[in-house]
Amino acid sequence: DIVMTQSPDSLAVSLGERATINCKSSQSVLSGSNNKNFLAWFQQKPGQPPNLLIYWASTRDSGVPDRFSGSGSGTDFTLTISSLQAEDVAVYYCQQYYGAPITFGQGTRLEIK
Amino acid sequence: EVQLVESGGGLVQPGGSLRLSCAASGFNFSDYWVHWVRQAPGKGLEWVANIKHDESEIYYVDSVKGRFTISRDNAKNSMYLQMNSLRAEDTAIYYCVYGRGWIFVLWGQGTLVPVSS
Repeated sequence: DIVMTQSPDSLAVSLGERATINCKSSQSVLSGSNNKNFLAWFQQKPGQPPNLLIYWASTRDSGVPDRFSGSGSGTDFTLTISSLQAEDVAVYYCQQYYGAPITFGQGTRLEIK
Repeated sequence: EVQLVESGGGLVQPGGSLRLSCAASGFNFSDYWVHWVRQAPGKGLEWVANIKHDESEIYYVDSVKGRFTISRDNAKNSMYLQMNSLRAEDTAIYYCVYGRGWIFVLWGQGTLVPVSS
């Protein structure tokens, strides 16, 4: 199984500042056949189901604000929120969909400082 | 409006069975992979199972193999999760998800399954 490890577990950032969440996979999720990283990011607010933010490591889903960006390749990935807004308070999860079982990171809780 | 609505959750005793349902609307259900993901109270996300649009591929997480069965009925725009031999550690909110392949595009609101005596 591919193990996904996020860092940090929790993060407090001031409004308008940059937030960075890291995700490391235990093996590469880069496909040699299509040169894409099978890595997604989700946001989960309290009492709600998760919401897709980023897929293929760096493609924003429809309607996702452009302050959210994803980067990285192979085994190391980053989710960046360029200017934190109050509505971004949530738990963020990375996920690999390279192979079964599909696995998630443990989550990073983002709060306002 | 694209929507997934789960049903069938509820309190069940250890060793018991439960069948979850997920009704889809607003998209061509028969074209898509569908998935079940669970979340224990206060914990992270765990993928449980998935099934291809034509049922030609099905996968499970090891912890539910032999106990859970995923299925779908494209004519009814619905998917199901039959859960047998339930354990306390199966206690979770169960979400159905539809995907562009294995990209999890939309999640339902979830249904809670407490397993307790």
